[in-house]
Amino acid sequence: QVLLQASGPGLVKPSETLSLTCSVSGGSISSSSYYWGWIRQPPGKGLEWIGSIYYRGSTNYNPSLKSRVTISVDTSKNQFSLKVNSVTAADTAVYHCARLNTMLRGVGGYFFYGMDVWGQGTTVTVSS
Amino acid sequence: ETVLTQSPGTLSLSPGERATLSCRASETFSSTFLAWYQQRPGQAPRLLIFGASNRATGIPDRFSGSGSGTDFTLTISRLEPEDFAVYYCQQYGSSPWTFGQGTKVEIK
Repeated sequence: QVLLQASGPGLVKPSETLSLTCSVSGGSISSSSYYWGWIRQPPGKGLEWIGSIYYRGSTNYNPSLKSRVTISVDTSKNQFSLKVNSVTAADTAVYHCARLNTMLRGVGGYFFYGMDVWGQGTTVTVSS
Repeated sequence: ETVLTQSPGTLSLSPGERATLSCRASETFSSTFLAWYQQRPGQAPRLLIFGASNRATGIPDRFSGSGSGTDFTLTISRLEPEDFAVYYCQQYGSSPWTFGQGTKVEIK
């Protein structure tokens, strides 16, 4: 059973950098079937996709955050990370890490995408 | 950016009733890239449906998905107490991958 565990500081000062790590256990991050992503959820609001990474290092970011976000992967530690620069109060949210599975088998034997494993989420507050 | 609009915002129903949730996209994309998630309070989202109509592992058959083009639907045939939650649709058809704003299914 694959488990994801997000970790990092719960409090970040405005203008500083938010850094989170998602550790993957029970499976390898270096699988061709998966991407690894970050999603955030401001208090009382919906889900926002931040970006994703493939184990070889290729990334895909939400344009609304792209100038401030970096996602990286460390296959030797079986983990991936998120950095958000120049944070403001608007970056306060629960940050989720998730596995995007590109090989979900559906009816007819076809394959589909879906975020089938999620970490428990970690709350990050931006405040001085 | 493909905007997903979910309706209604809140659905007030009783256990045993049928729930019909809508997800409408601002542009057409393949149903291959449409997923539904359930989020209970204080929990991470859980994958319910992928490819618009395929149930994820362990999801009861009272959950079903349908649709194509720009209009997608999640149906819960008979609501159980544990189904009262927020539901999100998500598309992977074009970047950025986007979520709908969510539909809350609450107990009437």
